[in-house]
Amino acid sequence: DVQLTQSPSSLSASVGDRVTITCRASQSISRYLNWYQEKPGKAPKLLIYAASSLQSGVPSRFSGSGSGTDFTLTITSLQPEDFATYYCQQSYSTPPWTFGQGTKVEIK
Amino acid sequence: EAQLVESGGGLVQPGGSLRLSCAASGFTFDSYEMKWVRRAPGKGLEWVSSISTTAIYIADSMKGRFTISRDNPKNSLYLQMNSLRAEDTAVYYCARSYMIGLAHDAFDIWGQGTMVTVSS
Repeated sequence: DVQLTQSPSSLSASVGDRVTITCRASQSISRYLNWYQEKPGKAPKLLIYAASSLQSGVPSRFSGSGSGTDFTLTITSLQPEDFATYYCQQSYSTPPWTFGQGTKVEIK
Repeated sequence: EAQLVESGGGLVQPGGSLRLSCAASGFTFDSYEMKWVRRAPGKGLEWVSSISTTAIYIADSMKGRFTISRDNPKNSLYLQMNSLRAEDTAVYYCARSYMIGLAHDAFDIWGQGTMVTVSS
């Protein structure tokens, strides 16, 4: 199974900050890496698919990059509604579909 | 607008059973592979099961206990959970699979989840 390791596990940031979250795969997964946002009591939301493609309706301050084993989710100019938990997920080698452990973005 | 609504969660004793449902609307249900994903308290997202027109997959830790099914005319997805354990306590989400190329996907539509608590 492909293991995904996110870093950091949590971070504190201020509105307007640039935030970067990394996801490392235990083996090469080409560009089949997706990013999700989860808020308490709400449906998780697909942000980025195939490493760098922005899902329809997602603000352009979200971007993804990477290939192989190392990937990054960047939020430029963090907004109040962006405080949430973010997960990476691979669809290269399935089943199983595996997720990273999550990164919680909190208000500083 | 595509939408998924889960139901059927609740409190159940260890060893008990529960059947979760997911009602789909706003899209052609039978054209999509569907998933169940869960998140235990204080933990991350975990894939549970998938069903397409040609295949069914269950996570290893749930094989023999959980069964996924769908009723396309009713636009509904189900998860039958038997022999429940405390560690199955989680919010259970249904999600739609969005194909990226021929063999890869992302989960593009999610429900808000239904809570399952396994406790005596």
